[in-house]
Amino acid sequence: DTGVSQDPRHKITKRGQNVTFRCDPISEHNRLYWYRQTLGQGPEFLTYFQNEAQLEKSRLLSDRFSAERPKGSFSTLEIQRTEQGDSAMYLCASSTSGANVLTFGAGSRLTVL
Amino acid sequence: GQQVMQIPQYQHVQEGEDFTTYCNSSTTLSNIQWYKQRPGGHPVFLIQLVKSGEVKKQKRLTFQFGEAKKNSSLHITATQTTDVGTYFCAGFMDTGRRALTFGSGTRLQVQP
Repeated sequence: DTGVSQDPRHKITKRGQNVTFRCDPISEHNRLYWYRQTLGQGPEFLTYFQNEAQLEKSRLLSDRFSAERPKGSFSTLEIQRTEQGDSAMYLCASSTSGANVLTFGAGSRLTVL
Repeated sequence: GQQVMQIPQYQHVQEGEDFTTYCNSSTTLSNIQWYKQRPGGHPVFLIQLVKSGEVKKQKRLTFQFGEAKKNSSLHITATQTTDVGTYFCAGFMDTGRRALTFGSGTRLQVQP
């Protein structure tokens, strides 16, 4: 297992377009998290899955954002009708339910023009 | 809202000097974790503190959890250039929320 994988690493899109990011967690980790990080700030929590169940969503997650983890393995984060304010690094992390220690992926950097 | 703040926001030290970053939460934390993010990298877990007043050491790094479980500190003795990066504290708010709330981070620059 090579850790948490995220794809794509970079995405440049025009305002109004839809984008989708994928995260493959560490295989034995049943918890998966999405965070957003802007320059000079700490990661901001977006949403969290335990297995396939989405257990918590931040109020930051507007209706344009949706996340899925259909089989309890990989997850996707979709942003519809992107806005310039969506430009950020989208970080995925995973953990086991016992340890609560997050292993982060390298992130997907989104630039909205 | 619930917040985790860190000070200072940025510190520049000469190699060999000590460094301390402080973390304060608006609410009680069930535990606290520290992560390091190198420039251009992603956060990497350093340590977790659970008990009130707990102190843990990792080589030159000393971590403390406050008695009231609302604050924490990270102290680095005799900094090295490899210590460069941003240090984040992160906690589980004692409200049952199951996701970590991260602090704003302290960026450390070490002059050789």
